[in-house]
Amino acid sequence: QVQLVESGGGVVQPGRSLRVSCAASGFTFSSYAMHWVRQAPGKGLEWVALISYDGSNKYYADSVKGRFTISRDNSKSTLYLQMNSLRAEDTAVYSCARDRGMLDLDPWGQGTLVTVSS
Amino acid sequence: SSELTQDPAVSVALGQTVRITCQGDSLKSHYASWYQQKPGQAPVLVVYGKNSRPSGIPDRFSGSSSGNTASLTITGAQAEDEADYHCNSRDSRGNRVVFGGGTRLTVL
Repeated sequence: QVQLVESGGGVVQPGRSLRVSCAASGFTFSSYAMHWVRQAPGKGLEWVALISYDGSNKYYADSVKGRFTISRDNSKSTLYLQMNSLRAEDTAVYSCARDRGMLDLDPWGQGTLVTVSS
Repeated sequence: SSELTQDPAVSVALGQTVRITCQGDSLKSHYASWYQQKPGQAPVLVVYGKNSRPSGIPDRFSGSSSGNTASLTITGAQAEDEADYHCNSRDSRGNRVVFGGGTRLTVL
């Protein structure tokens, strides 16, 4: 079955960097655009970034543009989010999701918690 | 701030019909999608496009749209429908995604 499993979360100090990953299985990863979405504790969903199926196009939320970089390795069926210059307000569960077309996200992974704190 | 606006909370009596709305300028040109999220779980797509449901989603879930407002209707709400519901769509620039703030549905 289609599965997305995130990893790499943890506690990081403000200003530092962290990379989270999303391992995909059960579908042809290289055929789908992918998203990162985050959810701060007790808050709603916030879209973070989108990458096209081949990695040639990338889009970012204004809140992370210039600090975060989305990338993918289709040979490993893995999606990445490199997060630099982290801030306290970046604290959230980061989830990856497959784009089934027209920016409809399905399915989602369970997410990995990133806590930015000194 | 979100470009899509949802009511923070809605309640419905068991077996009754409830409509959850999502408002935003981008909805004049693009359909909304709807996601159900239960506590501690990942969001699940329940309605997308004009009014389509992924495999496995009960037909009591339906979507509609008028002007700048998209709606998710649950006809005959069940106890297991108690959850947070999030809408999303393209933003005004067209190639980014925006989510509403989410609506917490309580089934009484």
